Amino acid sequence: DAGVIQSPRHEVTEMGQEVTLRCKPISGHDYLFWYRQTMMRGLELLIYFNNNVPIDDSGMPEDRFSAKMPNASFSTLKIQPSEPRDSAVYFCASSPYWDRGRNEQYFGPGTRLTVT
Amino acid sequence: GDSVTQMEGPVTLSEEAFLTINCTYTATGYPSLFWYVQYPGEGLQLLLKATKADDKGSNKGFEATYRKETTSFHLEKGSVQVSDSAVYFCALSEGSSASKIIFGSGTRLSIRP
Repeated sequence: DAGVIQSPRHEVTEMGQEVTLRCKPISGHDYLFWYRQTMMRGLELLIYFNNNVPIDDSGMPEDRFSAKMPNASFSTLKIQPSEPRDSAVYFCASSPYWDRGRNEQYFGPGTRLTVT
Repeated sequence: GDSVTQMEGPVTLSEEAFLTINCTYTATGYPSLFWYVQYPGEGLQLLLKATKADDKGSNKGFEATYRKETTSFHLEKGSVQVSDSAVYFCALSEGSSASKIIFGSGTRLSIRP
């Protein structure tokens, strides 16, 4: 089975440009998560969805960040306008239904974003 | 709120050495506990988990026991290999937001041949 798919794997852009990161979760998973990882701040949860509905976006750093999940097989994380401090590795993860002990998350390979 | 504290790295060991990475947690209820591993250039992968007190999770020679009395979930391996070099994250999920996992800060492990 294919795991979580993210694209692009690497993105280099200039400050002020719009950036769109894409994620395809594992088929049948009900939950989708977006994380950001930096050396300074570690792994941060940005937002997560349940059945395509955003549940908790308290980790989204600013209004410049937005996320959508138009259907069960696709999600986007958009940054507009981008800034150098947004440079990080962005991970998407998915998880099956919530049940005690079954809610482990499956991570994609990440998108390394560099904003110059 | 719920939190996870793990020993700071980096940890450097020689091949075949014994490994312990300490992890303690704070939670209001009865969390599930996890260890994830991140190899260079990759996403996190579940290494092992335990869902209730005294459970032992194990995988690839790694073990961790859920200790409720000490709120700990220390990761151990009897003989490490160079291929174990990675970043290890302790994590928990609990309560009404059990779909959400709280990760520790990660411990970087380097194994010398």
